[in-house]
Amino acid sequence: GEDVEQSLFLSVREGDSSVINCTYTDSSSTYLYWYKQEPGAGLQLLTYIFSNMDMKQDQRLTVLLNKKDKHLSLRIADTQTGDSAIYFCAETPSGGYQKVTFGTGTKLQVIP
Amino acid sequence: DTEVTQTPKHLVMGMTNKKSLKCEQHMGHRAMYWYKQKAKKPPELMFVYSYEKLSINESVPSRFSPECPNSSLLNLHLHALQPEDSALYLCASSQPDRGNNQPQHFGDGTRLSIL
Repeated sequence: GEDVEQSLFLSVREGDSSVINCTYTDSSSTYLYWYKQEPGAGLQLLTYIFSNMDMKQDQRLTVLLNKKDKHLSLRIADTQTGDSAIYFCAETPSGGYQKVTFGTGTKLQVIP
Repeated sequence: DTEVTQTPKHLVMGMTNKKSLKCEQHMGHRAMYWYKQKAKKPPELMFVYSYEKLSINESVPSRFSPECPNSSLLNLHLHALQPEDSALYLCASSQPDRGNNQPQHFGDGTRLSIL
């Protein structure tokens, strides 16, 4: 089966950049996503990247994809206290577009 | 604000009660999903409806019964639940058209507690 792994915890100072990493095993993945979950809330789609791309930038967010190493990262520039949340990466395998496999989640703590 | 609306936000019920969770979206999406999320864990897929028909059931116990009355609504009927069913129940929707894997959009969930 597919596994999507993330480190459990990341702590950064306000104003610094945050980098959240994710590794996946399914080489047939077509779309890879980043979701943010604040306490008591649902999942907010932040950004996503198609597997034939290696980078996508959206304001403070930069997604890097290394398909050879099956490694995905999310960089948040100028991290703010409002960025404190759990971040999930997720993948959609080819042919199973309705089944999304979520990573284990990374809790980001931003220190003022 | 999310474009997927779930009600109620919180629900406390006994093991013999019958209740329903509701989900509504007006984005024109034709795929809708139910997930269960335990604390500090990723969401786990329960059911998928595509064009109002059940397409995936992830071996969910029969005490959970999904229903899709129309393309905008998704219900989850609950009966005789167990304490371990206490969790956050998330609804999501997406547009599965033209072979494109469109991202799923989530509601804020219903926090369910079973006494």
